[in-house]
Amino acid sequence: GENVEQHPSTLSVQEGDSAVIKCTYSDSASNYFPWYKQELGKRPQLIIDIRSNVGEKKDQRIAVTLNKTAKHFSLHITETQPEDSAVYFCAAPRQGAQKLVFGQGTRLTINP
Amino acid sequence: DTGVSQDPRHKITKRGQNVTFRCDPISEHNRLYWYRQTLGQGPEFLTYFQNEAQLEKSRLLSDRFSAERPKGSFSTLEIQRTEQGDSAMYLCASSPRTVSNTGELFFGEGSRLTVL
Repeated sequence: GENVEQHPSTLSVQEGDSAVIKCTYSDSASNYFPWYKQELGKRPQLIIDIRSNVGEKKDQRIAVTLNKTAKHFSLHITETQPEDSAVYFCAAPRQGAQKLVFGQGTRLTINP
Repeated sequence: DTGVSQDPRHKITKRGQNVTFRCDPISEHNRLYWYRQTLGQGPEFLTYFQNEAQLEKSRLLSDRFSAERPKGSFSTLEIQRTEQGDSAMYLCASSPRTVSNTGELFFGEGSRLTVL
């Protein structure tokens, strides 16, 4: 089955700097890679996703890159702000199954 | 609020008791998922419904766990003879499309279970 590894588990950056979170997946048939943000005590919410037919997608300060050959994808947040502090989860679908497998999460802290 | 709603938000129970959680998905979503999340971990898949049919169950879902979605609307997750290891946040999510068709999961706020 699909296995999704995420790192780092914690990340602390200065406000205004960039943050990068990386994930690897095992199922080469996976074709969809979302990122969810979970603020303290809140529900996970989709912030950006990418399909396997593109290598990069941007949405304002957030971007996701995908390397299908290496089977890894990354979340990039530029010009970080205090409200970016949260736990971020990557995910990938398991082949033949209608479910997402989530990574272990990265706790991002933005220091003022 | 037309999002996914879960009830109760918090449940404290003694070991050995039964508990039931309810999830009301977004009305037009025919796919419903249950996930479990423990502190510091990502959501772990438990089970999945398409309309009223339970199409997949994780091996994490022991015989003490049962989920239903009668009439393809709300869903219930029951845990019988609770154990301390069942303590977790139980998240429900719904989606209008399959995951392979880039279906976003819309999560509820979760039901937090504490087993004493």
